[in-house]
Amino acid sequence: ILNVEQSPQSLHVQEGDSTNFTCSFPSSNFYALHWYRWETAKSPEALFVMTLNGDEKKKGRISATLNTKEGYSYLYIKGSQPEDSATYLCAPSYGNNRLAFGKGNQVVVIP
Amino acid sequence: DTGVSQDPRHKITKRGQNVTFRCDPISEHNRLYWYRQTLGQGPEFLTYFQNEAQLEKSRLLSDRFSAERPKGSFSTLEIQRTEQGDSAMYLCASSLQGASAETQYFGPGTRLLVL
Repeated sequence: ILNVEQSPQSLHVQEGDSTNFTCSFPSSNFYALHWYRWETAKSPEALFVMTLNGDEKKKGRISATLNTKEGYSYLYIKGSQPEDSATYLCAPSYGNNRLAFGKGNQVVVIP
Repeated sequence: DTGVSQDPRHKITKRGQNVTFRCDPISEHNRLYWYRQTLGQGPEFLTYFQNEAQLEKSRLLSDRFSAERPKGSFSTLEIQRTEQGDSAMYLCASSLQGASAETQYFGPGTRLLVL
């Protein structure tokens, strides 16, 4: 069983503030790191896939970085908006097509 | 592109009954995955198909669980003799083999409650 940890598990953010959270995962045999955003009653939405050490990806106000040597990824939300309220899931893969999800970072943006 | 769809979205059943869920992947995707999320946990891998072949099964998939993808398009997941511990969100995803980093696209899930 792979140990994928996301912290903090939940956070409340004031609208307009920026925030970030962490995903740590085993670095051995790492292949790719996926981030998803999951809003209640909707499908998990693919945000980013990163494979190389030092990768940085950006989508609007959300960005992510990857460190494959030490096994962690950061997700940043700049200027949080109420529509950013969701659970953000991190899932590394190790070349066998199965994603190993963490428990998620639950974000609530307070207007 | 209509995305991945799952049916039903919710299912309540009594312990001991059989249930079947359906997943329709994105039409050109040849890979299809089933995951399960229980309360307080992240989604856990159950099984994966490439076309109609079931290539991998997790140890989580007990003998009561069976998945099929007969024509390499839609898939069904059947749970026989349901137990209360089967209560969970069942997620389906699809991907295109060979696509860059193979993003898996998820459906909205089927939430199962076993009474």
